[in-house]
Amino acid sequence: GEQVEQRPPHLSVREGDSAIIICTYTDSATAYFSWYKQEAGAGLQLLMSVLSNVDRKEEQGLTVLLNKKDKRLSLNLTAAHPGDSAVYFCAVSEDYGNEKITFGAGTKLTIKP
Amino acid sequence: EAAVTQSPRNKVAVTGGKVTLSCNQTNNHNNMYWYRQDTGHGLRLIHYSYGAGSTEKGDIPDGYKASRPSQENFSLILELATPSQTSVYFCASGDVLGGQNTLYFGAGTRLSVL
Repeated sequence: GEQVEQRPPHLSVREGDSAIIICTYTDSATAYFSWYKQEAGAGLQLLMSVLSNVDRKEEQGLTVLLNKKDKRLSLNLTAAHPGDSAVYFCAVSEDYGNEKITFGAGTKLTIKP
Repeated sequence: EAAVTQSPRNKVAVTGGKVTLSCNQTNNHNNMYWYRQDTGHGLRLIHYSYGAGSTEKGDIPDGYKASRPSQENFSLILELATPSQTSVYFCASGDVLGGQNTLYFGAGTRLSVL
């Protein structure tokens, strides 16, 4: 089955700096890729999703890059601010009809003033 | 606004007891999921469902059963709870819409098995 590795498990950056989180996956049939944010004591909320035909997507200070050849997905937060402190998860799933979604282990991001 | 409601929010159970975690969604999504979240493991899929009457095993189904009696409700059942099942459990609903496979999560249930 699908295996997803996420790194780093912990990341601390200064306010205004960028932060990069990377996931690698194993199943070449993976078609949907998402990043979720979990704030303390809450459930996960979707940040951004991309399909397998998208290499790069930018929204509101976030950039998602997808390298299908290397089976690598990354999330880049530019100009981090204190509200970005949270745990971030990547999530992947196969094509329609097999919506089993596999999550990475999470990255705890801390933004220092 | 998508809504997924879990109950109870907190539960203390005794070893060997039966525990039922409930989840209700008002999104009219076909798919529903149960995950557990443990430090160092992230979210691990226990069971999921494609619609009323269907349940599928996830990655760690042992010791858990699931029930989907309706589109809106999805339960996770621990017939004989063990301390290793102490965790935070999340329910989610989702569908592939507009080419996006998005999950909407409940706030979680914190289960302690003593």
